[in-house]
Amino acid sequence: RKEVEQDPGPFNVPEGATVAFNCTYSNSASQSFFWYRQDCRKEPKLLMSVYSSGNEDGRFTAQLNRASQYISLLIRDSKLSDSATYLCVVNGYPNSGGYQKVTFGTGTKLQVIP
Amino acid sequence: NAGVTQTPKFQVLKTGQSMTLQCAQDMNHEYMSWYRQDPGMGLRLIHYSVGAGITDQGEVPNGYNVSRSTTEDFPLRLLSAAPSQTSVYFCASSYSVLGTTEAFFGQGTRLTVV
Repeated sequence: RKEVEQDPGPFNVPEGATVAFNCTYSNSASQSFFWYRQDCRKEPKLLMSVYSSGNEDGRFTAQLNRASQYISLLIRDSKLSDSATYLCVVNGYPNSGGYQKVTFGTGTKLQVIP
Repeated sequence: NAGVTQTPKFQVLKTGQSMTLQCAQDMNHEYMSWYRQDPGMGLRLIHYSVGAGITDQGEVPNGYNVSRSTTEDFPLRLLSAAPSQTSVYFCASSYSVLGTTEAFFGQGTRLTVV
C-alpha cells in the first residue's frame, strides 16, 4: 500500500459545482497534514493546513479522519481558476534525526468547465 | 524578498554529462530539500538538509550529490546524467525541520537527458 494515495482524476466539474477529494495515508503516527495546489507546469503552493477539528478557508474546507486515516478537501462554488492539481501532503513521526518524513500524494487533477 | 530561486529553468544534457542545479532562499530557513516530480509518481525526496553543514539522503538519492555550506544555498549535483534522470526538479525550503510548517518551492528545473 502506498504511504499516501489519491485518486488521480481528472475530476471534470461545471462552474458552481461542489467537488470533494480524498487522500488516504498508511502511517497512523502521521502528525501534520496539508493540501497543496499545483498549476500546470508550476511549483506546488500551500493551499491550507488540515487540522484535527477541520478547518475552512473561504470556499475550501479540509477535514481529517484519523480513525479511517484520510484527509479530505471540499471545494464549494467551483471557479474556473480552481482548475489545478491538488496534492495532499502527510508528515510522519520524527526520525532519530528529528526530521519528519514528508510524503506527497501524486495529486488529483481538477478541471472546472464553463 | 525573492523566496526560493532555482536555476536554470530548463536544461538538456547528454548522457554522462554532469551539472549543478542551483537553489537559494532568502527566508533564513533551516530546512531545505530537493524533489523530483515524474508523471504518476508524485514528488519524491532526493536529498535534504536541516541546516548548514548537515545533509541526508531522501527516497531517491542515487546519482545525486548535495552540500550545504551556507543557510541560503543548497545546490544539487548530477554526477553522470542518465536518461532516467529526465524529470522536473524542485527545491523547497521551510522554517521548521519537523515538517510542520509550509514548504516554499522554487519554480522548478525541467531537465531532459538525451
